[in-house]
Amino acid sequence: DIVVTQTPLSLSVTPGQPASMSCKSSQSLLRSDGKTSLCWYLQRSGHPPQPLIYGASNRFSGVPDRFSGSGSGTDFELKISRVEAEDVGIYYCMQSLELPRTFGQGTKVEMK
Amino acid sequence: QVQLQESGPGLVKPSQTLSLTCTVSGGSISSGRFYWNWIRQPAGEGLEWIGRIYTSGNTDYNPSLKSRVTISVDTSNNQFSLKLNSVTAADTAIYYCARDGYGSDWLPFDYWGRGTLVTVSS
Repeated sequence: DIVVTQTPLSLSVTPGQPASMSCKSSQSLLRSDGKTSLCWYLQRSGHPPQPLIYGASNRFSGVPDRFSGSGSGTDFELKISRVEAEDVGIYYCMQSLELPRTFGQGTKVEMK
Repeated sequence: QVQLQESGPGLVKPSQTLSLTCTVSGGSISSGRFYWNWIRQPAGEGLEWIGRIYTSGNTDYNPSLKSRVTISVDTSNNQFSLKLNSVTAADTAIYYCARDGYGSDWLPFDYWGRGTLVTVSS
């Protein structure tokens, strides 16, 4: 299985300030068609995960543009340009290159 | 707007079979290029992909659960189902159903159900 590792495990952020988190995979997530199979999800407390980013850098429909994804190969990053109160929760990255799909352990974002 | 809703018993005895159904509304389960997935999350832990079924009925399972899992689809009722046999306390979790959509590329888990808690206990 592809192992996905997220850092940090927890992040304390200030409203209005930027935030970023990292995701690393045990092998390249680059597909033969040149696209990358890495997604990001946000799980707010008591709710299912909601999709944020697919293909490493594409926002799902309806996702605010303060969220951006970047990276290639095995190293990826999710950035929030200006954190809002509703951004609190656990952020998961997931690889969809190979089965079984595997998730990182999550980065818990809290407000200062 | 596509909506998914899990249903099934919230309590299952050890060694028995866990059975859940996901009802899809706002679109046909059999039209288009979709995968229909099951994912679970033990309390306070991370997410584990269980398996999926394609529109055609082809299935893929997580090797860690493959010997115990069956996913099937009921197009007449716009539902797909999960069966997990020989359950133990380790199978206690929130179970989610989720869709893979397709636009210009695959959209993994673009829609989720609210989740249902299944507890394995005698």
